[in-house]
Amino acid sequence: EVYLVESGGGWVQPGGSLRLSCAASQFTFSNSWMSWVRQAPGKGLEWAANIKPDGSEKQYVDSVKGRFTISRDNAKNSLYLQMNSLRAEDTAVYYCASWGASNHWGQGTLVTVSS
Amino acid sequence: DVVMTQSPLSLPVTLGQPASISCRSSQSLVHSDGNIYLHWLHQRPGQSPRRLIYKISNRDSGVPDRFSGGGSGTDFTLRISRVEAEDVGVYYCLQHTHWPHTFGQGTKVEIK
Repeated sequence: EVYLVESGGGWVQPGGSLRLSCAASQFTFSNSWMSWVRQAPGKGLEWAANIKPDGSEKQYVDSVKGRFTISRDNAKNSLYLQMNSLRAEDTAVYYCASWGASNHWGQGTLVTVSS
Repeated sequence: DVVMTQSPLSLPVTLGQPASISCRSSQSLVHSDGNIYLHWLHQRPGQSPRRLIYKISNRDSGVPDRFSGGGSGTDFTLRISRVEAEDVGVYYCLQHTHWPHTFGQGTKVEIK
């Protein structure tokens, strides 16, 4: 069974930083596009960022561009999201997901931005 | 950005009866490679989303055949032939063709 396990969420004040991690197992991580998708409490899904299998191409939704950085370490089967200058509207459950012939999601990690 | 509009947003259904969800995109979803990356996902209460259908009509592994997808152009449909109790939750369409990838608002399916 494929596993994607996120960690690193928590409470942070506005303007603060957090780094999310996603550990992958039981699939060919290095061949998969990976993404971070977020869901604000009681709301729908929003795609935040994307990264190509070799890490050479990254995409960000406008609302996080310049503040968030997606990265990956294929040797460690891990995906990351560095989040800086956090705002209240970034409060959400953050899911990592793999995309390709098969699609897998982690259980999500909650980020709360509040004073 | 491509806007994905789902209807209805709430769908009360009777067990064993069919159900249908519509999704309309604000522009063509034909990718430069010729594929249409329109997917359907299901999120049960308290769980992570799960993709059910990819590229309009292809069922993901393990998805029951009571689920089917169709459509073309800018109009797409998810159908459940006979609703079962485990089908409750929110269904999202997703366009994976243009960046940023965008989801529909979600359709909440509940049992009458």
